[in-house]
Amino acid sequence: ILNVEQSPQSLHVQEGDSTNFTCSFPSSNFYALHWYRWETAKSPEALFVMTLNGDEKKKGRISATLNTKEGYSYLYIKGSQPEDSATYLCAFRGSTLGRLYFGRGTQLTVWP
Amino acid sequence: EAGVTQFPSHSVIEKGQTVTLRCDPISGHDNLYWYRRVMGKEIKFLLHFVKESKQDESGMPNNRFLAERTGGTYSTLKVQPAELEDSGVYFCASSQAPWGLESQPARGEQFFGPGTRLTVL
Repeated sequence: ILNVEQSPQSLHVQEGDSTNFTCSFPSSNFYALHWYRWETAKSPEALFVMTLNGDEKKKGRISATLNTKEGYSYLYIKGSQPEDSATYLCAFRGSTLGRLYFGRGTQLTVWP
Repeated sequence: EAGVTQFPSHSVIEKGQTVTLRCDPISGHDNLYWYRRVMGKEIKFLLHFVKESKQDESGMPNNRFLAERTGGTYSTLKVQPAELEDSGVYFCASSQAPWGLESQPARGEQFFGPGTRLTVL
């Protein structure tokens, strides 16, 4: 059984606050760690694919870090906006073409 | 470029009926995946096609589920007969083979469709 854990399960913040979530995954047989942003009834949108220990990636106000040795990744959102409200999913991949193992997601609500 | 599309977006059926879900991957993507999210749980893998061949079907819950990808283009997932526990959102994803000529942001990135929400009453 391969477990991917995300915390917190849900988060409510005020517009302008910065926030971060955690994804923990197995540190063995690591190939890639994916972050997706998902709004209900829409396609999960790929944010980052991270492959190297120490990777840091940034897309606008959103950034992510990766530690494959200890098996965790952080997603940061700086200056949250209401349009950032969504469920953020992380997924572990153990091979080039392999299945993704998802966490349950962190549901973010940003209040204006 | 068109993304992954799925049909229908919603389906409500009664227990014991049959439902067929369709996925059209991104053109040229050899790899096609089916996933399912049951309410309150994580998205779980069902199976993986490489072109028309099943590469990994270890996530299929039981023999009431049948997936096909004739011709290596679109795929269908049939549930027959449907049970209450089959309710959930069924996602399809596709990716280009790593040896593809197109560059990708990262190897084997999977692009998702919007899902089909299946409700079994």
